[in-house]
Amino acid sequence: IAGITQAPTSQILAAGRRMTLRCTQDMRHNAMYWYRQDLGLGLRLIHYSNTAGTTGKGEVPDGYSVSRANTDDFPLTLASAVPSQTSVYFCASSDRASGQETQYFGPGTRLLVL
Amino acid sequence: GENVEQHPSTLSVQEGDSAVIKCTYSDSASNYFPWYKQELGKGPQLIIDIRSNVGEKKDQRIAVTLNKTAKHFSLHITETQPEDSAVYFCAASRTTGFQKLVFGTGTRLLVSP
Repeated sequence: IAGITQAPTSQILAAGRRMTLRCTQDMRHNAMYWYRQDLGLGLRLIHYSNTAGTTGKGEVPDGYSVSRANTDDFPLTLASAVPSQTSVYFCASSDRASGQETQYFGPGTRLLVL
Repeated sequence: GENVEQHPSTLSVQEGDSAVIKCTYSDSASNYFPWYKQELGKGPQLIIDIRSNVGEKKDQRIAVTLNKTAKHFSLHITETQPEDSAVYFCAASRTTGFQKLVFGTGTRLLVSP
């Protein structure tokens, strides 16, 4: 069981370019989350999905979009990247359907926007 | 909304000493308090959590205490080892409705041999 995988591991992106960060989980968890981690700010929620077909906005959603076409995949898209989106992005999932609050995190994607 | 404050931001101890990290939260309805450990280049990993119906929970060398009246909770690591060196995050959330975890800003723990 791989848990949560994220791709790419790291990326350098020119400002204005479109980028999709991929996240896949094999635990059949119903809930999935995207966070960004910045020095001194901890982890902040960007978007979330309680179940396939639904998504919601977190604390810092501007400039990002997500989709949840199936249970396993939760891609995060930056439509037109800006330097302030330079960060480490973590995908997470939890088995909310079973009442489990624990969120399991992927290894992260390090993004540099120039 | 919920706000979580975490102290200290850095903590240096000698191997074998104890380490304590403290967090306060603002939402009195929060009832789930996990602690995550993040090693360099990796994602956060849950190490222990506590729910509001208990005041203390232990798992070998780590323990968490919760004071709901004062709205603060703490992580205690005893007999620290160099492999405990990492960044630790506390978080808080409600368990009803959508579970939005709000994280503290992290504590970098360094355990020197």
